[in-house]
Amino acid sequence: QKEVEQNSGPLSVPEGAIASLNCTYSDRGSQSFFWYRQYSGKSPELIMFIYSNGDKEDGRFTAQLNKASQYVSLLIRDSQPSDSATYLCAVNIWVNSGGYQKVTFGIGTKLQVIP
Amino acid sequence: DGGITQSPKYLFRKEGQNVTLSCEQNLNHDAMYWYRQDPGQGLRLIYYSQIVNDFQKGDIAEGYSVSREKKESFPLTVTSAQKNPTAFYLCASSRARGEANYGYTFGSGTRLTVV
Repeated sequence: QKEVEQNSGPLSVPEGAIASLNCTYSDRGSQSFFWYRQYSGKSPELIMFIYSNGDKEDGRFTAQLNKASQYVSLLIRDSQPSDSATYLCAVNIWVNSGGYQKVTFGIGTKLQVIP
Repeated sequence: DGGITQSPKYLFRKEGQNVTLSCEQNLNHDAMYWYRQDPGQGLRLIYYSQIVNDFQKGDIAEGYSVSREKKESFPLTVTSAQKNPTAFYLCASSRARGEANYGYTFGSGTRLTVV
């Protein structure tokens, strides 16, 4: 089982709709979860992070975390063509017990917002 | 403005040649990372460093080497032992040793091609 799993897409949504991006992870000890946006040919940029079960909202973005189900999602409301990008889910994982942490990335979901 | 600078943006390597990718940050971050991105495989961790003069191998360290002599700098050398080096290389940093809880800041990347 991969440490972080995402559907590669593409996920196509019409402009103005809600885009829902999903991610599952394998390490039950993970405590920090991140969503990055990556435009084609560019480097990733952090758009949301979440630590606690429930929802976290920032503008048009909502991150949802369910640790019991090991599931993280990102909702984008009122999707715009400028939201078209690949969205990477990332999870903090302990490398050694009590040692270093590292962030592991999913392969990313490509989102296409159709005007 | 604070950030991470990677150079060069594009790099061409001949067979059997070693090349060095530069990564400099002025964010005063303790931790620095090197990732490699290939189409369909997401980001894979090459090396990371949580503090000056210390670094750890990531998931795909073979054929690569790093140094961390200064807090601001974390250069990556791609050696001739790396048989498939063509990829997009990303350098990142985070705020504190052992804690990636605030997420990463990425540089703009170096695209390496074998000719």
